[in-house]
Amino acid sequence: GNSVTQMEGPVTLSEEAFLTINCTYTATGYPSLFWYVQYPGEGLQLLLKATKADDKGSNKGFEATYRKETTSFHLEKGSVQVSDSAVYFCALSAVTGNQFYFGTGTSLTVIP
Amino acid sequence: KAGVTQTPRYLIKTRGQQVTLSCSPISGHRSVSWYQQTPGQGLQFLFEYFSETQRNKGNFPGRFSGRQFSNSRSEMNVSTLELGDSALYLCASSSPGQSKNIQYFGAGTRLSVL
Repeated sequence: GNSVTQMEGPVTLSEEAFLTINCTYTATGYPSLFWYVQYPGEGLQLLLKATKADDKGSNKGFEATYRKETTSFHLEKGSVQVSDSAVYFCALSAVTGNQFYFGTGTSLTVIP
Repeated sequence: KAGVTQTPRYLIKTRGQQVTLSCSPISGHRSVSWYQQTPGQGLQFLFEYFSETQRNKGNFPGRFSGRQFSNSRSEMNVSTLELGDSALYLCASSSPGQSKNIQYFGAGTRLSVL
């Protein structure tokens, strides 16, 4: 079946530190992969996506590369800011249909 | 373009009552999915509607039901509420075509069951 396993949180970093949030998946075929971000009191916002192997999604300084060989889609940012404090969700979209599978979310707090 | 709109934003109900939540998708989007988000279980898929038909369903009891109207607006109903139904209910819409796999989320309806 389809599933996403995400790094447990919470994660606390100092401003300008390097961020990595690990995400691995199990799926049939070649799913699309996503990172969503949820700020307090809000819904989820798409952060970036990749639709095929070796694709790199990027947005707002965040990057993630679709690695078919390791079934991973790790989120990285070179220098985090206080405003990046949020919960991050890794997700996959099944090859057929429109169902999404989400990881459990990783809470990130960036301190000045 | 207006985003996904969920109403109401907050609800307080008591055990045994029933509740209806509403979701208006982005204009032109025909698929609407519903999720339950709780601290313990994370995001769990409830169901997806496309062109007024339920296309996918998650592993929730029959007390959870939904429907979609011809204008793509969707409602979710929970009957005989239990304390454990307290959660943030999120709706997401998506569109066929090149970006068909991107789901756009509303801000959610926070349901508290007392």
